[in-house]
Amino acid sequence: DAGVTQSPTHLIKTRGQQVTLRCSPKSGHDTVSWYQQALGQGPQFIFQYYEEEERQRGNFPDRFSGHQYPNYSSELNVNALLLGDSALYLCASSFGRGQRTNEKLFFGSGTQLSVL
Amino acid sequence: LAKTTQPISMDSYEGQEVNITCSHNNIATNDYITWYQQFPSQGPRFIIQGYKTKVTNEVASLFIPADRKSSTLSLPRVSLSDTAVYYCLVGSNQAGTALIFGKGTTLSVSS
Repeated sequence: DAGVTQSPTHLIKTRGQQVTLRCSPKSGHDTVSWYQQALGQGPQFIFQYYEEEERQRGNFPDRFSGHQYPNYSSELNVNALLLGDSALYLCASSFGRGQRTNEKLFFGSGTQLSVL
Repeated sequence: LAKTTQPISMDSYEGQEVNITCSHNNIATNDYITWYQQFPSQGPRFIIQGYKTKVTNEVASLFIPADRKSSTLSLPRVSLSDTAVYYCLVGSNQAGTALIFGKGTTLSVSS
C-alpha cells in the first residue's frame, strides 16, 4: 500500500516564476492538506482540500492556490515566486471528510523548493 | 485552537528514558493530543494520540493528567535513531479547523 507520494522531490526556480507541486494521497484517504516548512521551523498550514474544494486556509497570500481532483490527488500552485517561498512543501492526507482534525495525518516526504 | 508550548531542545544518551512535556492550557473538551516525529528532509510521522489518562503503543507512551492542560510523551530506552524533532499538537473535531504545528522539540541522543 503506497503512502503519500509527492513530486518532484526537488525543484529550483527563479523569482517571479510559477511552480506546481503534486501530491497523491494514501489509498483510501479523501482529504489533502498542504504545509510549508521553512528551515528550522515547524510546518505551517497552507490549506486543506476535501471533495475538490478548499475547506480551510491558513495565513497565506492568494499567490498560493490549489486543486483537488476526483481521484483525491492534489496540486499546489505558487505564482510570482519570492525568495521567501524557498521551503519544504509537505502534503498530508487523512480520512475525515475534511472535518475531523483528530484524524491521523500521513505525510509525504515533501518537495524541496529553492527560489533563486 | 489550543496553543502548545514545548521545550525547544533536549539531550539524552542511548538507553535512557526521555520525557517531553507539552503545555496546552486552553485545551477544549473535544480536543485530542497528538504527537508527531520528524527526521530531516522527511515529513512528520504519527507517533501517538490520546484524549485522557495514559495511552501506550509499541514506540511510546502518552500521559495526560486529569485536567488535560499538559501531556508528556515518554520514549523508553532511546537510541541514536530517535534523534528527531517531536511535535505536540492539539486538535478539535470541529469542522473547518486544521492541525497547527508549533516549533517542536529537537531531541538529540548521544552514545
